[in-house]
Amino acid sequence: EAQVTQNPRYLITVTGKKLTVTCSQNMNHEYMSWYRQDPGLGLRQIYYSMNVEVTDKGDVPEGYKVSRKEKRNFPLILESPSPNQTSLYFCASSLAGGLRVEQYFGPGTRLTVT
Amino acid sequence: QQQVKQSPQSLIVQKGGISIINCAYENTAFDYFPWYQQFPGKGPALLIAIRPDVSEKKEGRFTISFNKSAKQFSLHIMDSQPGDSATYFCAASISGTGANNLFFGTGTRLTVIP
Repeated sequence: EAQVTQNPRYLITVTGKKLTVTCSQNMNHEYMSWYRQDPGLGLRQIYYSMNVEVTDKGDVPEGYKVSRKEKRNFPLILESPSPNQTSLYFCASSLAGGLRVEQYFGPGTRLTVT
Repeated sequence: QQQVKQSPQSLIVQKGGISIINCAYENTAFDYFPWYQQFPGKGPALLIAIRPDVSEKKEGRFTISFNKSAKQFSLHIMDSQPGDSATYFCAASISGTGANNLFFGTGTRLTVIP
């Protein structure tokens, strides 16, 4: 089954404790992206990657890191989480470029930072 | 700065009625306008999309109307059903750059009352 998976689905942590949210896709997509969803703000892009070893900032990259060492994986790293990073996070993937840019989203990771 | 403005924030419609969600944008370089549907606990999924070379696209009960001169587009859900209750996001992107970055609206929570 074609899908984007994220782990963990739920995470409660404390301020300053480094964490990683994993994302993996099995569709051989070049493009991957991370979003955060907050009430009243919609989905905002954190980082994206157009291919292996190619990453770039989205609209809200502060406090986050990413890496793309393999085509299928795109982990999101919070080196020192803060309460304002409490949010619902989504990973997405798609084919790169072209006219059809449908993005496939993972199930989401709900992060609470206390 | 929100590149795509969406309204209303929430919408309650009787079963069988028409649901209308509106979006507006400023960047005339946008050339791909998808709508995503999100059910509680799930990631967004592509519902329907349009390019600015057409003024309307219909798929079943879902129709996008597009007004290029006004820089506005809207989603119409005909014969709304309780199963349509979800959050709807409009989005916009620029195709052909290799990057599939989507700029999302803030979302509309639709509730269809039986």
